[in-house]
Amino acid sequence: GAGVSQSPRYKVAKRGQDVALRCDPISGHVSLFWYQQALGQGPEFLTYFQNEAQLDKSGLPSDRFFAERPEGSVSTLKIQRTQQEDSAVYLCASSSGGTGHEQYFGPGTRLTVT
Amino acid sequence: DAKTTQPPSMDCAEGRAANLPCNHSTISGNEYVYWYRQIHSQGPQYIIHGLKNNETNEMASLIITEDRKSSTLILPHATLRDTAVYYCIVYDFLNAGGTSYGKLTFGQGTILTVHP
Repeated sequence: GAGVSQSPRYKVAKRGQDVALRCDPISGHVSLFWYQQALGQGPEFLTYFQNEAQLDKSGLPSDRFFAERPEGSVSTLKIQRTQQEDSAVYLCASSSGGTGHEQYFGPGTRLTVT
Repeated sequence: DAKTTQPPSMDCAEGRAANLPCNHSTISGNEYVYWYRQIHSQGPQYIIHGLKNNETNEMASLIITEDRKSSTLILPHATLRDTAVYYCIVYDFLNAGGTSYGKLTFGQGTILTVHP
C-alpha cells in the first residue's frame, strides 16, 4: 500500500519567507510525528499529533514553527520568517497506535534557506 | 539526549554477517530497544525492536543481554543495499492528555559500509 508521502520534496526559500510543508500519512494511522534532521545529524523530534490533537510540541524550536492536522489526516508544518538555521530535512512519520508501534517515515522535505 | 552509545562507523564484507553493537546502560525496565536505519536521502526505516527476549524477523536479529544494558543488531548476510546509518534507540514512553505515546530520540548512529 501507499506509504507516507511528503511535499514538496525540495524547497528553497529566501530568508524571511514563510513556508508550508505537507505530510500525507498512511491511511488510518492515528499518530503523526514531525522530525527535523540537520546535515550529518540524526532526526530530532518536533511535535506529535494523535488524530487532530497536538499532544506534544516540546521540540518546536521557536514560535515561528507551528503544525496542524485539522481533520486528523493530512498535516502541515509551517515555518514563518525562515532563517538560515532552519535549513534541514523535515521528516514526517505516522504509526497506527500510541505505544509499541513502529513509525513509518516519509522521504522528507529538504528545506534550504538562502 | 539519546540514551544509547554506538560506534560511529563499521565495515562489513558483502555476504558476511554484520554485527552492530549498542550500549544502553541506563535503560529502564519497561523501555524497549528499537533499531532503525537510514539509507542516503531516504527517511528512516524500522528494522526491529525488543524488550527482553531476542527477536528475529525477515530483516535482522536482535540480541539483548540479560542485564539489558547492551544489544546487538545482526544482519545475517549483508548486501551492498544494507549500507546505511543504523540507529539504536531506547523508546521513550510518554503521557499527554491521558494518552500514551512513544517518541524516538535518535543519536548519531553507526555508519555501516558494506563492501564487495
